[in-house]
Amino acid sequence: GENVGLHLPTLSVQEGDNSIINCAYSNSASDYFIWYKQESGKGPQFIIDIRSNMDKRQGQRVTVLLNKTVKHLSLQIAATQPGDSAVYFCAETVWSDMRFGAGTRLTVKP
Amino acid sequence: GAVVSQHPSWVICKSGTSVKIECRSLDFQATTMFWYRQFPKQSLMLMATSNEGSKATYEQGVEKDKFLINHASLTLSTLTVTSAHPEDSSFYICSARDRRGGLTPLHFGNGTRLTVT
Repeated sequence: GENVGLHLPTLSVQEGDNSIINCAYSNSASDYFIWYKQESGKGPQFIIDIRSNMDKRQGQRVTVLLNKTVKHLSLQIAATQPGDSAVYFCAETVWSDMRFGAGTRLTVKP
Repeated sequence: GAVVSQHPSWVICKSGTSVKIECRSLDFQATTMFWYRQFPKQSLMLMATSNEGSKATYEQGVEKDKFLINHASLTLSTLTVTSAHPEDSSFYICSARDRRGGLTPLHFGNGTRLTVT
């Protein structure tokens, strides 16, 4: 399938609060999902991944939840910090073909 | 961790000239590399998939004669923007997948900001 450039939705949170970024994916056959963080002027940076046989995975301050029934993926960031301000992309993979979501711009207010 | 180096990080060129962007996997071998284009405040748009030793696969709407891709080794892919025009100005990003395969994340370069005057 094609990916289409879309204008980014935004999320603004207060420093110290928890952030939840959501992503709807399109292919029920996708078996691997990744969250990336992209800071201004840089390439995407890997945050956390999850396989389709799991519904939750935790990292340092981040948690990814996968709901295959409704094809929904979320990224939770605990105690959001100013350094977390960036654009966050989800990616789904099926047969080694990776496609990106539209992305969400997270802004952390001090 | 796996590192992908992209060079140059920025380039300014005159309309009608060609620009080459390099993407190198520094500590792993990549049979497949991907090239993306990103406009301001938008998501990454896959342009083409670069396969070592074979022709690249281009996404619909991407001109293969304008965006030449060469993947000559397991650690290097190049994207050449030929006869560049101002509308080609964009942020170009490459990524690579470790040849060992499996369910692993793509590793991204830090992008190249191309400005065509």
